[in-house]
Amino acid sequence: AQRVTQPEKLLSVFKGAPVELKCNYSYSGSPELFWYVQYSRQRLQLLLRHISRESIKGFTADLNKGETSFHLKKPFAQEEDSAMYYCEHNAGNMLTFGGGTRLMVKP
Amino acid sequence: EAGVAQSPRYKIIEKRQSVAFWCNPISGHATLYWYQQILGQGPKLLIQFQNNGVVDDSQLPKDRFSAERLKGVDSTLKIQPAKLEDSAVYLCASSPIISYNEQFFGPGTRLTVL
Repeated sequence: AQRVTQPEKLLSVFKGAPVELKCNYSYSGSPELFWYVQYSRQRLQLLLRHISRESIKGFTADLNKGETSFHLKKPFAQEEDSAMYYCEHNAGNMLTFGGGTRLMVKP
Repeated sequence: EAGVAQSPRYKIIEKRQSVAFWCNPISGHATLYWYQQILGQGPKLLIQFQNNGVVDDSQLPKDRFSAERLKGVDSTLKIQPAKLEDSAVYLCASSPIISYNEQFFGPGTRLTVL
């Protein structure tokens, strides 16, 4: 069975500090990976997907097949980045979310 | 564009009772998903529909859970009878086509089983 692991339940940083939210997956095929975000009292929404190689709200994520990782990074955290972040692996009809990491950005 | 709609938003029942949740996906979205999210965990896929056909229900506890998507549009998820461990947020999501696509989530239904 597929597994998606987000080792940190909570990540607390100060505003302006770099952020890295870790995601590791177990899958032997070609992975399709996504990061979803849930801001307070809002719906879960897509942040970015690896296939598009884009930067959204200053966040980037690089797929490392050798380490089976898809870590989410931002060089300078902002208070409005405080939210729950979920890594998801999508393999057709097999969709698996990680347990989530709560990011708290302190002023 | 209207988002995914779910109702009710909150439901409190006693164990062994039955409950049903409703989801209306974004117009034109062929794929519909139901997830269970227990407090402190990530969403867990229960069932996935492509139009009105089931693509995957391998994680649906079929002895008590059932879901249908008649006419390939809205969907209902039922629990009968409910157990204490069913307390969770039930999320519905939709996407234009199956796989490799952005999922659009509804607000969820928070179920408490007493």
